[in-house]
Amino acid sequence: DSGVTQTPKHLITATGQRVTLRCSPRSGDLSVYWYQQSLDQGLQFLIQYYNGEERAKGNILERFSAQQFPDLHSELNLSSLELGDSALYFCASSSRKSGGNTGELFFGEGSRLTVL
Amino acid sequence: AQSVTQLDSHVSVSEGTPVLLRCNYSSSYSPSLFWYVQHPNKGLQLLLKYTSAATLVKGINGFEAEFKKSETSFHLTKPSAHMSDAAEYFCVVSDGGNKLVFGAGTILRVKS
Repeated sequence: DSGVTQTPKHLITATGQRVTLRCSPRSGDLSVYWYQQSLDQGLQFLIQYYNGEERAKGNILERFSAQQFPDLHSELNLSSLELGDSALYFCASSSRKSGGNTGELFFGEGSRLTVL
Repeated sequence: AQSVTQLDSHVSVSEGTPVLLRCNYSSSYSPSLFWYVQHPNKGLQLLLKYTSAATLVKGINGFEAEFKKSETSFHLTKPSAHMSDAAEYFCVVSDGGNKLVFGAGTILRVKS
């Protein structure tokens, strides 16, 4: 158990809809990362927050947004959903601001989104 | 830009035989490199990391990897495969900041 909690584990919705994925980082971790894993794109970095502020942006679509709240949990909002958004969305946390050089991210088990 | 290439999408070994998962990297400077493992329906877990210290890095569950700058490689090995090693393995390079760049993954199958 990594200590990172993601909900929901599975979500099925229709095109055009909006969903929110939630992540609770490990206790004490200030950084939260969102990744998308799909069969055709592999694992793609979406966005990172550190202590409530956006820290780094990756391949995140404009239809997607995220935020980190004062209690450090994070939400990823996906809107105007398309079939191609079907994927496994991972949240990871780290105690460091960059989390890059140390490399140790603690991953949740993911939220599987299916868009029909 | 940093990138990693995992040379095999699938590797199949028999239980008790050695494991070799190959990874080549591209980086404009001295990279930080990692291997992560993903078991079915689970999140990713860090196996080991190289951050410019010893070139032979030991990780969890008997895995190790050797950083070879001349070959731009960071292959993952294990002397003797166990059934529980069946999973997907990702070679990862750090961009030096906040982003980890993941390889496409290698699915390891272990036959009894």
